[in-house]
Amino acid sequence: DAKTTQPNSMESNEEEPVHLPCNHSTISGTDYIHWYRQLPSQGPEYVIHGLTSNVNNRMASLAIAEDRKSSTLILHRATLRDAAVYYCILRGYGGATNKLIFGTGTLLAVQP
Amino acid sequence: GAVVSQHPSRVICKSGTSVKIECRSLDFQATTMFWYRQFPKQSLMLMATSNEGSKATYEQGVEKDKFLINHASLTLSTLTVTSAHPEDSSFYICSAAGLLYEQYFGPGTRLTVT
Repeated sequence: DAKTTQPNSMESNEEEPVHLPCNHSTISGTDYIHWYRQLPSQGPEYVIHGLTSNVNNRMASLAIAEDRKSSTLILHRATLRDAAVYYCILRGYGGATNKLIFGTGTLLAVQP
Repeated sequence: GAVVSQHPSRVICKSGTSVKIECRSLDFQATTMFWYRQFPKQSLMLMATSNEGSKATYEQGVEKDKFLINHASLTLSTLTVTSAHPEDSSFYICSAAGLLYEQYFGPGTRLTVT
C-alpha cells in the first residue's frame, strides 16, 4: 500500500481556516485519496475523498496537487468540535470493500 | 450517513475468559466488515476483514485462533477475544463497507482485562 506522510500535530484558532497537508509521493494512478477524522474515544468518521479533481462537501474541501503527490484538506472555519486526529489514506480502486490502512495522522488542536 | 453500532461500549473481564463484541450495520447491508484495534495514543491497526458467509481474512501477525470473527448475516459481525490477557486490553473498532467508496465506523468497544 502506498504510504502517506502527515505532520504529527497542528494548531488552529476557532473560526479560522485550517489547511492540513498530506504527502503521498508514491501514489498510483488508481489510488483514491481519503480523509477520515477521529474524535477522542470515538470511531473514525469519513470526511471526504477524491481522485484527481478538487472536491467540496459540507464538511470540508480537498485540494489535490496536479501531480497527485500531495493533497490538502481544508476546513473553512474551524470550530472546537473539529479538534480531532485527521487521517489521510490512500485506497485502491475497488470501493468501500478495500481495506483502509491508517497512518499516524495529524492531531488538530483548535484554540478558542 | 449510515449507522454502525457496537455492543458493548465497554467491558471489563478477568484474565483467561472470553469476550464477544458485536458490530451491527443498522440501516444498510454490509457484505464486508473490518475489525481494528487501537492502543492509547496510537493509530488504528487493521486486524481482519470479515465477509458475510465466509472466513475472515486476518492481517499478518494477528492470531486467528485468539480473535475469532463471525459474519453470519449482512448486518452483524462478531469478534470474540478468547482467553483474554491484560495485553489484549485495547479499543476495538469495527467498520462496515457502504455501497460505494465509504466505510462507516462503529463507536468502539473499550476492553479492559484484569
